[in-house]
Amino acid sequence: GAVVSQHPSRVICKSGTSVKIECRSLDFQATTMFWYRQFPKQSLMLMATSNEGSKATYEQGVEKDKFLINHASLTLSTLTVTSAHPEDSSFYICSASGMASGAYEQYFGPGTRLTVT
Amino acid sequence: QKEVEQNSGPLSVPEGAIASLNCTYSDRGSQSFFWYRQYSGKSPELIMFIYSNGDKEDGRFTAQLNKASQYVSLLIRDSQPSDSATYLCAVNTGGFKTIFGAGTRLFVKA
Repeated sequence: GAVVSQHPSRVICKSGTSVKIECRSLDFQATTMFWYRQFPKQSLMLMATSNEGSKATYEQGVEKDKFLINHASLTLSTLTVTSAHPEDSSFYICSASGMASGAYEQYFGPGTRLTVT
Repeated sequence: QKEVEQNSGPLSVPEGAIASLNCTYSDRGSQSFFWYRQYSGKSPELIMFIYSNGDKEDGRFTAQLNKASQYVSLLIRDSQPSDSATYLCAVNTGGFKTIFGAGTRLFVKA
């Protein structure tokens, strides 16, 4: 299957600071990338969908000014958590999707565990 | 509202048995269906996808799709303790729009 990387895998930051998470598709061009958040023992929650070169589409209830998404190329999307607070502590996972198979399957990165102190 | 429903479990099966995971979806126009496995503390991993009615086999895994009943299932033959994980059903409802179920926890007892 396709390989998606995410960096960093783990980050601890102080309340009020910003954190940038990178998501890269390593062996295919991702038309669309997705950002999810997952709290312990809960299901995936889609935050936003991003397409290369255009603005991200945010899900209802997700603050677009707090979670900045940039999809600069077909292989790179970034999520910046601005002015992070302890309640933003979570597991952030990106996924990338291509159309090669026609099924629109998503390949997930390994995730970034964010802890805000 | 388009939905994907799964029994949360846990589903407990003995080692060597067949584990059967089920999923129903509400959007009759859905075209492709996916099963992901997620180990605790890790991200989801694609196991297989299916978009035609019937069965699709890949090793010990078989996906079954019945569009008339809006039902998709995953069978795991010869279950192993390493199969213990949460299994997510996902349904593509058009374009890049995919809805994930909340997942079923599977526990395979050695």
